[in-house]
Amino acid sequence: GAVVSQHPSRVICKSGTSVKIECRSLDFQATTMFWYRQFPKKSLMLMATSNEGSKATYEQGVEKDKFLINHASLTLSTLTVTSAHPEDSSFYICSALRVGRTEAFFGQGTRLTVV
Amino acid sequence: TQLLEQSPQFLSIQEGENLTVYCNSSSVFSSLQWYRQEPGEGPVLLVTVVTGGEVKKLKRLTFQFGDARKDSSLHITAAQPGDTGLYLCAAPRRGSARQLTFGSGTQLTVLP
Repeated sequence: GAVVSQHPSRVICKSGTSVKIECRSLDFQATTMFWYRQFPKKSLMLMATSNEGSKATYEQGVEKDKFLINHASLTLSTLTVTSAHPEDSSFYICSALRVGRTEAFFGQGTRLTVV
Repeated sequence: TQLLEQSPQFLSIQEGENLTVYCNSSSVFSSLQWYRQEPGEGPVLLVTVVTGGEVKKLKRLTFQFGDARKDSSLHITAAQPGDTGLYLCAAPRRGSARQLTFGSGTQLTVLP
């Protein structure tokens, strides 16, 4: 089956620093990847759609300068949380859409804690 | 705005009991997916239903898509502790089939 790997799985950073989260499709090419945020015991909220070779599309209310997304290759998208604050602490999940398919595969998520 | 309302929000049952989780909307969907998510992990796709009235079975799990393709249900027979998790329904967003709208989620706990 298709595998999507997120790294790191957990990260703790100091307030004011930046953190980069990687999302890789290991055995397929993904022209589109999605980034979600999830609060404890809540559903997934789409933050942005990442398209390979072009600018990401952000959902309303998501600050594009704070959540930088880069999708430089067909197997890698990165989310950088810039100048992190404690309120950015959350579970971030990516998913990748296989070329020519409608089914998206999810990474295992990244638990970000800003102290 | 497409909203997927799930009920119940929380469910705690004893091993061996049956349960049903509902996913309702006022919108019509071309398809609908069910996921299960365990703590600290990403969601895992259980099933995709595409035809109104469709019923799909996955071992002890039975999924049904409403005739009007506005709602869906997930029935679990003889629940086991391993079924514990957050169950999410999701459907393609109107105007962008690649993006998913997720339901509000049902947190299921099966006690041994």
